[in-house]
Amino acid sequence: AQSVTQLGSHVSVSEGALVLLRCNYSSSVPPYLFWYVQYPNQGLQLLLKYTTGATLVKGINGFEAEFKKSETSFHLTKPSAHMSDAAEYFCAVTPYQKVTFGTGTKLQVIP
Amino acid sequence: EAQVTQNPRYLITVTGKKLTVTCSQNMNHEYMSWYRQDPGLGLRQIYYSMNVEVTDKGDVPEGYKVSRKEKRNFPLILESPSPNQTSLYFCASSPRGDEKSYGYTFGSGTRLTVV
Repeated sequence: AQSVTQLGSHVSVSEGALVLLRCNYSSSVPPYLFWYVQYPNQGLQLLLKYTTGATLVKGINGFEAEFKKSETSFHLTKPSAHMSDAAEYFCAVTPYQKVTFGTGTKLQVIP
Repeated sequence: EAQVTQNPRYLITVTGKKLTVTCSQNMNHEYMSWYRQDPGLGLRQIYYSMNVEVTDKGDVPEGYKVSRKEKRNFPLILESPSPNQTSLYFCASSPRGDEKSYGYTFGSGTRLTVV
């Protein structure tokens, strides 16, 4: 079985500051990992994904994440937060067919 | 435009009154899935379908039914809704066998309230 833990249900950053959203996973086989973003009153949108190969993956809107197998982590970062980044972010893992989502982290950006 | 379309966006109903939430995708995806989203619980899978006439239970299937008679459509049926099914529902799709690598395309959601 696989699982995802997102540390911090709410994160606040100042505009222009570093964004760091944490995700740890457990999986019995090499996982595929995803980050999704959900803006208010919308569905989830794929932000980035790790399948195989390069462990640092870049996504849309300046976000990136690094797969660290030894730490079973897939943290999401962005060097400089923008007001438009305020949303809820979900980490997800899928070793097989089934996709398991974390409980989400709401990002607040303070002007 | 490639998309997953859910209807309705908002629905208020009474306990026990059967309802159907429709989901349609125009990307020729084989894999489709229903999720419910509840505060603090993230997204939990209700049912999924690998292809036409192939469906299987997810983590929280109780009280729900699905069917997949056509590739593009994957309706979610609540035969006797109860208040604990009040939630935000999402339909998602992906190319078959590649749902691991492509990720999902999500619909905009259906907010259901059962009173």
